[in-house]
Amino acid sequence: DAKTTQPPSMDCAEGRAANLPCNHSTISGNEYVYWYRQIHSQGPQYIIHGLKNNETNEMASLIITEDRKSSTLILPHATLRDTAVYYCIVGGDFGNEKLTFGTGTRLTIIP
Amino acid sequence: GAGVSQSPRYKVAKRGQDVALRCDPISGHVSLFWYQQALGQGPEFLTYFQNEAQLDKSGLPSDRFFAERPEGSVSTLKIQRTQQEDSAVYLCASSSANPWADSNQPQHFGDGTRLSIL
Repeated sequence: DAKTTQPPSMDCAEGRAANLPCNHSTISGNEYVYWYRQIHSQGPQYIIHGLKNNETNEMASLIITEDRKSSTLILPHATLRDTAVYYCIVGGDFGNEKLTFGTGTRLTIIP
Repeated sequence: GAGVSQSPRYKVAKRGQDVALRCDPISGHVSLFWYQQALGQGPEFLTYFQNEAQLDKSGLPSDRFFAERPEGSVSTLKIQRTQQEDSAVYLCASSSANPWADSNQPQHFGDGTRLSIL
């Protein structure tokens, strides 16, 4: 079973920041938080991952709470191309371990 | 650069036929994964290779499913005597992670093969 909880759907206005929450209250000390997204008819696309500290890359920012029981993915200036299903995944060494996907959050960017 | 390539993109087969799905991982990637994605669901793990060694096949749903990666690069997922419940998108992912270096490298996915069993 997936170890994360996400809202099934969210809307965000184009140009605004999209904030996608994820609860992972049973995360263990050596587990990372990974985010992928899947645009219709494409394979999942890696976005970002983190362990304890907040992370930022060219796609997004990841904010992890101090107790690590939840996190938020932030898309700073959402565009229509960001419409996708976003998956929050918790796991160990994800290069050598299977990813356990849940059902994700369907994010719709509204013009 | 080239990403993970899967072929065919679409496959239609009659129930009972055998099918073979191909995955070309990113060049040099050691780790290779297969996932199955049913309509409206997230991908589910099938099997994992490190080079040519199949280290985990716990997700294969039955003995009709078989995967191989004989030379540690291209991989083939074979389904024998297909059933309607095998209809799904089959995704392949590869990663540069290996046990001897920085192992926490992301898995990169292909766009999948959509399999329809009639």
